[in-house]
Amino acid sequence: NAGVTQTPKFQVLKTGQSMTLQCAQDMNHEYMSWYRQDPGMGLRLIHYSVGAGITDQGEVPNGYNVSRSTTEDFPLRLLSAAPSQTSVYFCASSYDRPATDTQYFGPGTRLTVL
Amino acid sequence: DAKTTQPNSMESNEEEPVHLPCNHSTISGTDYIHWYRQLPSQGPEYVIHGLTSNVNNRMASLAIAEDRKSSTLILHRATLRDAAVYYCILIYNFNKFYFGSGTKLNVKP
Repeated sequence: NAGVTQTPKFQVLKTGQSMTLQCAQDMNHEYMSWYRQDPGMGLRLIHYSVGAGITDQGEVPNGYNVSRSTTEDFPLRLLSAAPSQTSVYFCASSYDRPATDTQYFGPGTRLTVL
Repeated sequence: DAKTTQPNSMESNEEEPVHLPCNHSTISGTDYIHWYRQLPSQGPEYVIHGLTSNVNNRMASLAIAEDRKSSTLILHRATLRDAAVYYCILIYNFNKFYFGSGTKLNVKP
C-alpha cells in the first residue's frame, strides 16, 4: 500500500491564482480530512469527508472547496489564492471515524502564495 | 470547543522514561483523547488514544486522570528517534480534531 499520497510536494502561486491539491489513499478509508499547518503551530481542520459524496466544513474552511466523488480521492481546491493561505497542507484518512481510529497522514504540500 | 494545554518543550535523556502532560479541563464526556507526534518535515504520526481507561501499546502508554481533565503520555525508554513534537488532541463531534501547539521533545544522548 502506498498509504496517503499528496501532490505536489511544493507549489508557488501568485495572488489570485487557483489550484488543486491532490490527495489519494489506497486503504479503502471512508474518512478523509484536510488540515493546514502554519509555522510553529498545530494543525487546523479545513474540510473533511465521511464518505464519497459527503463533505463538511472544519475550523477554517473559507477560501477552500472540496469534493469527494470517489472513496480514494479527496482534492482541495484553492479558489483565489491569498498570501494568508501560505502554509503546509496535510491530508489524512481513517477507516472509521477519527475519534475511535488511527488517522494516517500524507507527507504534506508546502504552498507559498506571493 | 474543547482545548488542550501542553508545555512548549521538554527534555529527556536517552533510555529514560518520559512523561508528557496535557491538560484538557473543558473535555466533554464523549471526547476521545489522542496523541500524535510529528517529526520535522513530516506528517503527524499516530501514537495512542483513549476515552476513560489507561491504554498501552507498543509505542507508549496513556494515563488518563479519573476526572478526565488531564492525561499523560508515557514513553517508557526514550530514544533519539522519539525526538518530535507531541500533540495531545481532543476529538469533538466524532470527526473533528483540535490540535494544540504541542510539546517539542528533545532527547539527549
